[in-house]
Amino acid sequence: QVQLKESGPGLVQPSQTLSLTCTVSGFSLSSYEIIWVRQPPGKGLEWMGVIWSNGNTNYNSTLKSRLSISRDTSKSQVYLKMNSLQTEDTATYYCARFFDYWGQGVMVTVSS
Amino acid sequence: DIQMTQSPSSMSVSLGDTVTITCRASQDVGIYVNWFQHKPGKSPRRMIYRATNLADGVPSRFSGSRSGSDYSLTISSLESEDVADYHCLQYDEYPYTFGPGTKLELK
Repeated sequence: QVQLKESGPGLVQPSQTLSLTCTVSGFSLSSYEIIWVRQPPGKGLEWMGVIWSNGNTNYNSTLKSRLSISRDTSKSQVYLKMNSLQTEDTATYYCARFFDYWGQGVMVTVSS
Repeated sequence: DIQMTQSPSSMSVSLGDTVTITCRASQDVGIYVNWFQHKPGKSPRRMIYRATNLADGVPSRFSGSRSGSDYSLTISSLESEDVADYHCLQYDEYPYTFGPGTKLELK
């Protein structure tokens, strides 16, 4: 069955880089898009970006200068990297197969 | 960016109620609106896609509609498991944008 699972550090220091991995199963990354969404505590959902089935990417303009999404289809993994983290980047980060199947989410706290 | 203005922000409801949540798009987004249910500690769940289509496994008491730039999610005969936050999303234009959410609470 279709599954997605995010992994990564729960704590990141300010100004450092966040690296998250979304490992998928039950489908091919060459056939489906993967999106990243985050939700800061007590706030709404924010679309971060997408990697399309052909490998092209689009990013939220508010994050574009800091964000990179890539993938390794042979490993069925999608990667999110975001640099220059600040406390306002504290959030639960989700990957999803273009909104129909979602990972469980990973909570990331930015703090020294 | 396209703004999705969602109302109400919260709603006090009773079991068996019919509940309607609305999002208004700041510009034309066509049919490219999804609705999500989000419970604390859980992942969002897609309920409606392309404005009016019921997602797989979603009970038939949920429905989506569109009138111009207004998109609505209706829950008929509310059940306890429906108490959650609901968000709309437009994915017609980058950046995709979510509505701020509607919180359903039991009276």
